[in-house]
Amino acid sequence: EAGVTQFPSHSVIEKGQTVTLRCDPISGHDNLYWYRRVMGKEIKFLLHFVKESKQDESGMPNNRFLAERTGGTYSTLKVQPAELEDSGVYFCASSHVDEQYFGPGTRLTVT
Amino acid sequence: GQQLNQSPQSMFIQEGEDVSMNCTSSSIFNTWLWYKQDPGEGPVLLIALYKAGELTSNGRLTAQFGITRKDSFLNISASIPSDVGIYFCAGRPLDSNYQLIWGAGTKLIIKP
Repeated sequence: EAGVTQFPSHSVIEKGQTVTLRCDPISGHDNLYWYRRVMGKEIKFLLHFVKESKQDESGMPNNRFLAERTGGTYSTLKVQPAELEDSGVYFCASSHVDEQYFGPGTRLTVT
Repeated sequence: GQQLNQSPQSMFIQEGEDVSMNCTSSSIFNTWLWYKQDPGEGPVLLIALYKAGELTSNGRLTAQFGITRKDSFLNISASIPSDVGIYFCAGRPLDSNYQLIWGAGTKLIIKP
């Protein structure tokens, strides 16, 4: 069974640019989550999809972040325009019920 | 917001030693999870705990869900070089269906 995949693995962009991260969950997992870890700090929840619906987006920092999950399959997280404080590792996870399985993360660096 | 206090922040140990780390919360959690992250990888689930008092083992790893539901510990026995990495605790609060609250991680380093 294929795990959670994320693309790209690394992204370096300038402040003010736009970046789109993609996550492909484990097949059959209705629940999809986005998390972010800023260097040295805890992993922070951003939002949770159940199929294509946003169940909880309380962790989204501001309206520069937009997440979508087309057709309840893969998800994208767009940051527009990117700011320096957006740098960090963005993790995607999926679950059937309780146990969340993580992708390798996308390391975003905003310069 | 809710926070988990995970300690220690880092550990320097000799190969073969036992390791213990824990997480505490000011509020009640109904699930505790322990993850390990290797460099360049995402967190990998090690042990999941669902009931107060539950003690679960996975090989050399043992974790317990505290009776008060506000803490959990993870023990690693007879550490080996591949145990190196960052260990995270994560808990699901009582009022949340799926959102996980995370500790800041414990970095395990094995002295040569």
